[in-house]
Amino acid sequence: DAMVIQNPRYQVTQFGKPVTLSCSQTLNHNVMYWYQQKSSQAPKLLFHYYDKDFNNEADTPDNFQSRRPNTSFCFLDIRSPGLGDAAMYLCATSRAFLGYEQYFGPGTRLTVT
Amino acid sequence: ILNVEQSPQSLHVQEGDSTNFTCSFPSSNFYALHWYRWETAKSPEALFVMTLNGDEKKKGRISATLNTKEGYSYLYIKGSQPEDSATYLCAFEETSGSRLTFGEGTQLTVNP
Repeated sequence: DAMVIQNPRYQVTQFGKPVTLSCSQTLNHNVMYWYQQKSSQAPKLLFHYYDKDFNNEADTPDNFQSRRPNTSFCFLDIRSPGLGDAAMYLCATSRAFLGYEQYFGPGTRLTVT
Repeated sequence: ILNVEQSPQSLHVQEGDSTNFTCSFPSSNFYALHWYRWETAKSPEALFVMTLNGDEKKKGRISATLNTKEGYSYLYIKGSQPEDSATYLCAFEETSGSRLTFGEGTQLTVNP
């Protein structure tokens, strides 16, 4: 049974048109992460939540926002997508920091036209 | 900026071959080294989380070793099977916690 679910799996949006990607988990984990992976590059952490505490990576563009309304759900909002934002977006969860494995969703492939 | 490097970038082997690849990472502020397997169209899944220098972990035909003093980890696959075809990612976790820094991965293709 899927434990980290991402919807949709494929998303096409237009340049400048806001888009929201969603992630849900059935693990009741405290931490939820959003990663961006561009072709053949390393997944790059955008931000994470520990419960309701939000931590934005220093180099995450302001164009990217996140919401976590409850333990199970986390959203990635891209306010004005540019062509450079086309990528695979991965959601992951973990029970806590330091030594805990992360559980990933299958990712959402975002295309910007 | 932390530097986590994996080699080779890609690898093609025949079914039955044994293979290994490398992850190098900073030797300072080390807490853990993670290995993940990512099959096409599926979710990345954790293979190992290793914290102790000299650690060796095994899961079926896959094993990993860790050298924190020199900053490297090896992943070994014994008797590769086509279902082992995937991208293998390593990730460095530093003592401050809260984030993993990933390498670019090694893409393994096992030909029947």
